[in-house]
Amino acid sequence: AQSVTQLGSHVSVSEGALVLLRCNYSSSVPPYLFWYVQYPNQGLQLLLKYTTGATLVKGINGFEAEFKKSETSFHLTKPSAHMSDAAEYFCAVSERGNNDMRFGAGTRLTVKP
Amino acid sequence: EAEVAQSPRYKITEKSQAVAFWCDPISGHATLYWYRQILGQGPELLVQFQDESVVDDSQLPKDRFSAERLKGVDSTLKIQPAELGDSAMYLCASRVSGETGDTQYFGPGTRLTVL
Repeated sequence: AQSVTQLGSHVSVSEGALVLLRCNYSSSVPPYLFWYVQYPNQGLQLLLKYTTGATLVKGINGFEAEFKKSETSFHLTKPSAHMSDAAEYFCAVSERGNNDMRFGAGTRLTVKP
Repeated sequence: EAEVAQSPRYKITEKSQAVAFWCDPISGHATLYWYRQILGQGPELLVQFQDESVVDDSQLPKDRFSAERLKGVDSTLKIQPAELGDSAMYLCASRVSGETGDTQYFGPGTRLTVL
């Protein structure tokens, strides 16, 4: 079965600095990959997803992620952090023909002034 | 923009009591999910519906949890009796079809506290 590992449960960056949140996956077939963001006491909002095609995926709020099959990674980046980016971020994987979506444990992003 | 609705947003109950959560998916979405999210962890699937049928309930603790989607639209998740370990956020999500690559849209969740 597919699985996700998010490296770093907490990441802290200064406002304006690069944001890098790491996600590695395990899948026996070509995966679908997702990044969701969750603000306190709210549901999850899709940032971006990879299904097929271009491996560099652009999402909302200036975030992007690159699917690297050789590294089984799907890291999330943003060139310049904003205070409003402070939230919990979840990477998720699902497989073609499999209804099951597996989430990582999440990474809490803190943005310092 | 259409959203997944959930109620209540917060629920406090005592152990051994019964609780119920309601979810109204985005109109036209055939697939509905209930997830449990324990504080500090990612969501874990409890049950998946395709229209009114259960597709996957392998992770649902059936001795105390039940879920239904009688008319293939809104859904109810029930816990009876509630236990201290059930304290968590319960999230509902929906998507248009059973296509794996389709986006799941999440509701705001119900935060349950069991005392």
